[in-house]
Amino acid sequence: KAGVTQTPRYLIKTRGQQVTLSCSPISGHRSVSWYQQTPGQGLQFLFEYFSETQRNKGNFPGRFSGRQFSNSRSEMNVSTLELGDSALYLCASRGFHTIYFGEGSWLTVV
Amino acid sequence: GDSVTQMEGPVTLSEEAFLTINCTYTATGYPSLFWYVQYPGEGLQLLLKATKADDKGSNKGFEATYRKETTSFHLEKGSVQVSDSAVYFCALSDGGSNYKLTFGKGTLLTVNP
Repeated sequence: KAGVTQTPRYLIKTRGQQVTLSCSPISGHRSVSWYQQTPGQGLQFLFEYFSETQRNKGNFPGRFSGRQFSNSRSEMNVSTLELGDSALYLCASRGFHTIYFGEGSWLTVV
Repeated sequence: GDSVTQMEGPVTLSEEAFLTINCTYTATGYPSLFWYVQYPGEGLQLLLKATKADDKGSNKGFEATYRKETTSFHLEKGSVQVSDSAVYFCALSDGGSNYKLTFGKGTLLTVNP
């Protein structure tokens, strides 16, 4: 069965712009979470959605937001981009006692 | 709060050498434990998991045992290959209705032929 799909894979944005990343979880999975990976901070939890409701949120500013649709697909949005937002953004899909990750979206802010 | 500590890298081994990457954790309750692997330019792949004390996770020759008494989940492989070169992350989730993962900082493994 298909894995976690993230789009786009690579993107370059300018400071002050906003970006939207998309994630389609594994079929049947209703929980989607997002992580940010940077060389300095490592892997950090952003938020988790389950059945269109945000259940958990990490320690990130309000510029980072997300949502989940009725088909479990999720988007995350970062507004007013800063250079420090350059990172790999990973989406994860939760099954029974297991969490699977997508390939990630590489965001570069210039 | 929850935390994961794994051995600092990088780790460099020759092909067919024995691998151990240490991982210890701090958590309340009964977490599930995971090892993920990340190849260059890619996302995270689940390598193995264990959901309760004394469980042994295994996959592709890698093994790790959930030791509650020592709060550890060390990754081992008897004979590494060049293709095992990657970054390895130990992680925990505190279970229940919360599946937020807490990761260690990662260990870069390089295997030379």
